[in-house]
Amino acid sequence: QKEVEQNSGPLSVPEGAIASLNCTYSDRVSQSFFWYRQYSGKSPELIMSIYSNGDKEDGRFTAQLNKASQYVSLLIRDSQPSDSATYLCAVRSGAGSYQLTFGKGTKLSVIP
Amino acid sequence: EAGVTQSPTHLIKTRGQQATLRCSPISGHTSVYWYQQALGLGLQFLLWYDEGEERNRGNFPPRFSGRQFPNYSSELNVNALELEDSALYLCASSLETGIPYNEQFFGPGTRLTVL
Repeated sequence: QKEVEQNSGPLSVPEGAIASLNCTYSDRVSQSFFWYRQYSGKSPELIMSIYSNGDKEDGRFTAQLNKASQYVSLLIRDSQPSDSATYLCAVRSGAGSYQLTFGKGTKLSVIP
Repeated sequence: EAGVTQSPTHLIKTRGQQATLRCSPISGHTSVYWYQQALGLGLQFLLWYDEGEERNRGNFPPRFSGRQFPNYSSELNVNALELEDSALYLCASSLETGIPYNEQFFGPGTRLTVL
């Protein structure tokens, strides 16, 4: 059973701070890792993807991947109230299956 | 460029009825995935279609089925509806399989309510 684990939160950070979201996965052959943002009542929106160990930066977002530890994280710098949402970690196995396995999400609240 | 579209936005059915949900992928995308997001649960993979074929299905009963049309649009059928089928049904599309790191983009979803 492939599992993706996230802290459900809520994670509260003050405006302007760094928000750190974490995710662990159980399937060692996983190849691709994604972070989605989901506002209440809306569908998930892709914000970052990462495939290689290390850091990947895109604007205020940085994804970090450590395959040896089976760990992926998302940092949000200069957090804004508009970042308040549920962040979903998703993992795709490399074993010929292209569907995503999702964590249950971490709810982030950015306090003005 | 238009994103993934889904219809209807909302669907209300009663127990035992059948529901049909539709999805149009992003232009150029050939793979379509269906996910269920029930209240309090994470997104659960339902079905994956690519080039008109069902490639994989999640841990759901056979009354969940679907198909993909030659234009790559897809429909999800849920027969013999049960109360616990009430959920947000999300469709995602991606470029053709074989690209190692293809990203999936979601449509707005269909909210199915079973009374």
